[in-house]
Amino acid sequence: GAVVSQHPSWVICKSGTSVKIECRSLDFQATTMFWYRQFPKQSLMLMATSNEGSKATYEQGVEKDKFLINHASLTLSTLTVTSAHPEDSSFYICSARDRGLAPHNEQFFGPGTRLTVL
Amino acid sequence: GEDVEQSLFLSVREGDSSVINCTYTDSSSTYLYWYKQEPGAGLQLLTYIFSNMDMKQDQRLTVLLNKKDKHLSLRIADTQTGDSAIYFCAEGSTLVFGKGTRLSVIA
Repeated sequence: GAVVSQHPSWVICKSGTSVKIECRSLDFQATTMFWYRQFPKQSLMLMATSNEGSKATYEQGVEKDKFLINHASLTLSTLTVTSAHPEDSSFYICSARDRGLAPHNEQFFGPGTRLTVL
Repeated sequence: GEDVEQSLFLSVREGDSSVINCTYTDSSSTYLYWYKQEPGAGLQLLTYIFSNMDMKQDQRLTVLLNKKDKHLSLRIADTQTGDSAIYFCAEGSTLVFGKGTRLSVIA
């Protein structure tokens, strides 16, 4: 089946630093990747939709200058949390949609990255 | 806007059936989905149903869709301890998730 990986799986950083999270589709090409944020015991909130080779589309309320998304290839998207602060601590999950199949628009999810900002 | 509602908790005994309910607002959704999330992990697609179907069965899973009432349910037969997880209902091509139902299975 389609596999999506994320790296790192967890990261702890100091306030004010930037953190990059990678999302890779391992065995398929993903024209579209999604970034979600999940707070403890909460649902997933879509942050942005990223299409290969073009700028990401951010959801309302998500600061594009703070959460930089790059989708430079069909297998890799990155999310950079710039100047991270404790309120950015969260579980970040990416997903990818295969360019060719899944008529039911299936998104394949990565295992998530837990970010803790001290 | 789109909204998906679920009850937050469900506790069942091992071997019983579990029924997780969901209501949604966007009647134009072509597909509706059930995802499972185990602790500290990403989401796994359990099953989905096309909007013109009333029911879909997949081994121990049965999905019922009532379009008139915008109500979706997931029934897990013979619930096992390994089924303990959070179950998310979702709709739409850009997924709108409910808050998730935490299923606890008591041995």
